[in-house]
Amino acid sequence: AQSVAQPEDQVNVAEGNPLTVKCTYSVSGNPYLFWYVQYPNRGLQFLLKYITGDNLVKGSYGFEAEFNKSQTSFHLKKPSALVSDSALYFCAVRDIGASNYQLIWGAGTKLIIKP
Amino acid sequence: IAGITQAPTSQILAAGRRMTLRCTQDMRHNAMYWYRQDLGLGLRLIHYSNTAGTTGKGEVPDGYSVSRANTDDFPLTLASAVPSQTSVYFCASSDVAGGVNEQFFGPGTRLTVL
Repeated sequence: AQSVAQPEDQVNVAEGNPLTVKCTYSVSGNPYLFWYVQYPNRGLQFLLKYITGDNLVKGSYGFEAEFNKSQTSFHLKKPSALVSDSALYFCAVRDIGASNYQLIWGAGTKLIIKP
Repeated sequence: IAGITQAPTSQILAAGRRMTLRCTQDMRHNAMYWYRQDLGLGLRLIHYSNTAGTTGKGEVPDGYSVSRANTDDFPLTLASAVPSQTSVYFCASSDVAGGVNEQFFGPGTRLTVL
């Protein structure tokens, strides 16, 4: 069965430090992978995606993510965290070979950046 | 600014009442989706539409219905609301179903069923 796991409910990072938000997935075929961010009382906003090609993808607001096929992971990273990065982050996957086109979503990770 | 609008922003509803959540997009996207967001559960797909005139069931469709009479509008109806339908509802769209491009989300509707 297709699934996405975000093993940490919450991640706390000091401002200026690097941050990582973890995501692992399970699909039967090849994946399309996405990261979204949700600020309080707002809808989700797209950050970045992996479709094919270079395993390191760069996205909005200085975020990047590395696709690791052997570990079935797609961790979100940023070299230097800002207080304004505090938000809820969602990982999602689509199985390219699946007959439906749906995204499978992780439960979300709350990122708190402390000044 | 092009995007997705949802109405109402929030609503308190008595159990047993009928309610329609509205969603309109102006990006001419073919695919549209309705999700509910509950704490600790992330997003769960209720219904989707790959193109105007077609709809499909998602992960949690019971108690909900949708229609897609045209490209722009995708209303979600609760025929007889129950307290377990208390949630935040998000409408989303993408240019095509199953493509490589991302989904765009509306601002959400916060629904409380008492």
